[in-house]
Amino acid sequence: GAVVSQHPSRVICKSGTSVKIECRSLDFQATTMFWYRQFPKKSLMLMATSNEGSKATYEQGVEKDKFLINHASLTLSTLTVTSAHPEDSSFYICSATTLAGGGDTQYFGPGTRLTVL
Amino acid sequence: GQNIDQPTEMTATEGAIVQINCTYQTSGFNGLFWYQQHAGEAPTFLSYNVLDGLEEKGRFSSFLSRSKGYSYLLLKELQMKDSASYLCAVKDSNYQLIWGAGTKLIIKP
Repeated sequence: GAVVSQHPSRVICKSGTSVKIECRSLDFQATTMFWYRQFPKKSLMLMATSNEGSKATYEQGVEKDKFLINHASLTLSTLTVTSAHPEDSSFYICSATTLAGGGDTQYFGPGTRLTVL
Repeated sequence: GQNIDQPTEMTATEGAIVQINCTYQTSGFNGLFWYQQHAGEAPTFLSYNVLDGLEEKGRFSSFLSRSKGYSYLLLKELQMKDSASYLCAVKDSNYQLIWGAGTKLIIKP
């Protein structure tokens, strides 16, 4: 149980275009989803916390208008990178929480590697 | 400030045992997590400790001492596939997850 999927797994786009990444909890309802980015050989950096039916909470330094998050249902959250630039190239990972297993564990999707040319 | 410290890199031999330490200074404590992350992949959950003591799960065990702000992940009977980064994360008083930078474990034959 506690499987999280992410789509696409890899995307290459031109500078100035927008890219949407989907995160789904497949076998559980996730009231909270998290979006991270990770640069090579660096730790995870939390971008925002997404609660179903309400606006996402962004971490300091993360532009809300740049990284649009929509948590449409208990099983789906989307991250849209608007007007992407090469510096947005990164590994984007979502996670979702379930109380099963104790401790509000976060289960991660497989990640999306974004390359902006 | 909040801080999670773990070694940057460790090397161990196949079949051996390795202990990866994690010390933390956070505003409050609501649990400590260990995750494994292979290169180019997302993290996968390994263990969760909220009370002092040792939690054993097959070849992996995790220990917690809240008074010392200390945890370790113990990996036994190391296999080549255990080569990965191991991330320590602590949930603070606001239930925010604070991440360590990860320990890259290299397993040699």
